[in-house]
Amino acid sequence: DTEVTQTPKHLVMGMTNKKSLKCEQHMGHRAMYWYKQKAKKPPELMFVYSYEKLSINESVPSRFSPECPNSSLLNLHLHALQPEDSALYLCASSHPGLAGGPTYNEQFFGPGTRLTVL
Amino acid sequence: SQQGEEDPQALSIQEGENATMNCSYKTSINNLQWYRQNSGRGLVHLILIRSNEREKHSGRLRVTLDTSKKSSSLLITASRAADTASYFCATAPNTGGFKTIFGAGTRLFVKA
Repeated sequence: DTEVTQTPKHLVMGMTNKKSLKCEQHMGHRAMYWYKQKAKKPPELMFVYSYEKLSINESVPSRFSPECPNSSLLNLHLHALQPEDSALYLCASSHPGLAGGPTYNEQFFGPGTRLTVL
Repeated sequence: SQQGEEDPQALSIQEGENATMNCSYKTSINNLQWYRQNSGRGLVHLILIRSNEREKHSGRLRVTLDTSKKSSSLLITASRAADTASYFCATAPNTGGFKTIFGAGTRLFVKA
């Protein structure tokens, strides 16, 4: 299985809602990532988990809360979002590199969750 | 400014022609990767070139890396309509951090 799956595909939420994005992979990868991508822009790294521990938090607002319950799953909990948070949220995974940094190897991306905040 | 700047921003060619995209970066890197993204979907890894490599091939793809100029190029030969997509370079800075930084991307349109 060389696939990263993300659910839901689309999500519309109000600013007072609480929702979660889910990501799953069964490739044995021990590094998992969340990216945010606005239209016609490159993906921007939000969080990196390495061996289920948070390795990078790119100064993301606390209304985004990541969770890595096990080596196959990655969640992104959303609360009190703003309309400007509307974007495509991409999950990716990779083998941690031999040099110790998880991003030294190719990343496998899921199809993304298209989030709209009203 | 942003690590991984790419040019051109957009490229339109006829099927069968070659497409060349360039990427420049600012810091020392461990490797540079190229990804493709079809509209509104996830990214697909194309090729990784390490800092000690100068050229790499994969099918119709040819990637070069010039660390002295901090630049890379992606050449797609004999393009097909199915190659229409956005192409991003991504760098893993060799500064001890663990992040991947994506360039602004080149939008390629191949006309049948």
